[in-house]
Amino acid sequence: SQTIHQWPATLVQPVGSPLSLECTVEGTSNPNLYWYRQAAGRGLQLLFYSIGIDQISSEVPQNLSASRPQDRQFILSSKKLLLSDSGFYLCAWGPSGGNYEQYFGPGTRLTVT
Amino acid sequence: AQSVTQLDSHVSVSEGTPVLLRCNYSSSYSPSLFWYVQHPNKGLQLLLKYTSAATLVKGINGFEAEFKKSETSFHLTKPSAHMSDAAEYFCVVSVGGPYNTDKLIFGTGTRLQVFP
Repeated sequence: SQTIHQWPATLVQPVGSPLSLECTVEGTSNPNLYWYRQAAGRGLQLLFYSIGIDQISSEVPQNLSASRPQDRQFILSSKKLLLSDSGFYLCAWGPSGGNYEQYFGPGTRLTVT
Repeated sequence: AQSVTQLDSHVSVSEGTPVLLRCNYSSSYSPSLFWYVQHPNKGLQLLLKYTSAATLVKGINGFEAEFKKSETSFHLTKPSAHMSDAAEYFCVVSVGGPYNTDKLIFGTGTRLQVFP
């Protein structure tokens, strides 16, 4: 069966510091990968999606970037965090070829102080 | 453009009573619709999905949803609430993205409280 991991689970970082969140998927090959952000009391906003290694698409202009160095690894980064980057970050995977549903990881709670 | 509207931000029920969480969708073609559940500080879990097969969809934990095209609705129901059902529920529509990706459009969520 497939599993998706995210780490760290929680993170407190000062404004201006760098960020690296990691997501890995097990039990599937060539998945579509997604990063979402959930601000407090709000729905989910798609940040990035990827169909393959080094193939990243950005949904919204922002202070963040994403990379996919391996088939089942997806990394969310920032060079300098802003207060507005605080939120709950969720990684998700979906089967390639468009099979509609996505499966989410446990999330990372980021607080920028 | 595709969208979903969750009609209630909060729903409170007593344990053992029925649950109804309402969702209306907007789509120019037959949509793929989902319900996800999120417990506090956890990821999202897929409850059920509708992809143009049977209009009554059964999911996990006793939940089900009925797709009604005439009413553009996809309401989530459960006959008898359990304390463990207390969580945030999201109605979601899928819009096909480029390169066979699927962009999910989320509703704003309904927080379900279950009282003993």
